[in-house]
Amino acid sequence: QVQLQESGPGLVKPSQTLSLTCTVSGGSITSVGSYWSWIRQQPGKGLEWIGYVYYTGGTYYNLSLKSRLHMSVDSSNNRFSLNLRSVTAADTAFYYCARESEENCFDAWGQGILVTVSS
Amino acid sequence: DIVLTQSPGTLSLSPGERATLSCTTSATISSTYLAWYQHTPGQAPRLLIYGASNRATGIPDRFSGSGSGTDFSLTISRLEPEDFAVYYCQHYGSSRTFGQGTKVEIK
Repeated sequence: QVQLQESGPGLVKPSQTLSLTCTVSGGSITSVGSYWSWIRQQPGKGLEWIGYVYYTGGTYYNLSLKSRLHMSVDSSNNRFSLNLRSVTAADTAFYYCARESEENCFDAWGQGILVTVSS
Repeated sequence: DIVLTQSPGTLSLSPGERATLSCTTSATISSTYLAWYQHTPGQAPRLLIYGASNRATGIPDRFSGSGSGTDFSLTISRLEPEDFAVYYCQHYGSSRTFGQGTKVEIK
């Protein structure tokens, strides 16, 4: 069973870059049909899909965040990453990594990591 | 983007009771692209239902999904203590979108 675990700093200063990594275990990140995704939940709000990266390096982003986003995959270490530039307090959220499957749903999730944007 | 509206916002029920959660989409969607998740604070969200009515691996049969067009529902036939959580519906479209959630709380 695939398991995911987020890691990264819990505090980022405004205008800086938020960088998170998701380590995949129990399965290969090069699995065909697995789209490695990021989803966030801002305080008091619902879930917001951020985007995904495929093992080939192909990406697909939420248009509302696209100009600030970069996602990448590290196949040798079975992990993938999120970089969100020029953060503000509005980017404070729990960030989850997840796998989007060929069944058009997110069938595996990490526990989430709280990232606070504050000086 | 398709907007998903969940109702009610909060459902107060007792263990053993039946829970029915609703998810209405802003336009007709294929049932293939509708999923439900359970989220307990501090835990990873869990896929319950995909394709509107297919239970995910390991999900108890007290959970069932139904619906088509713009109206979808998740039913928990008999609430167990571990079922008190927040439930989200989600649409797989050009942008993946979630409903705002229904909290199922102990009455």
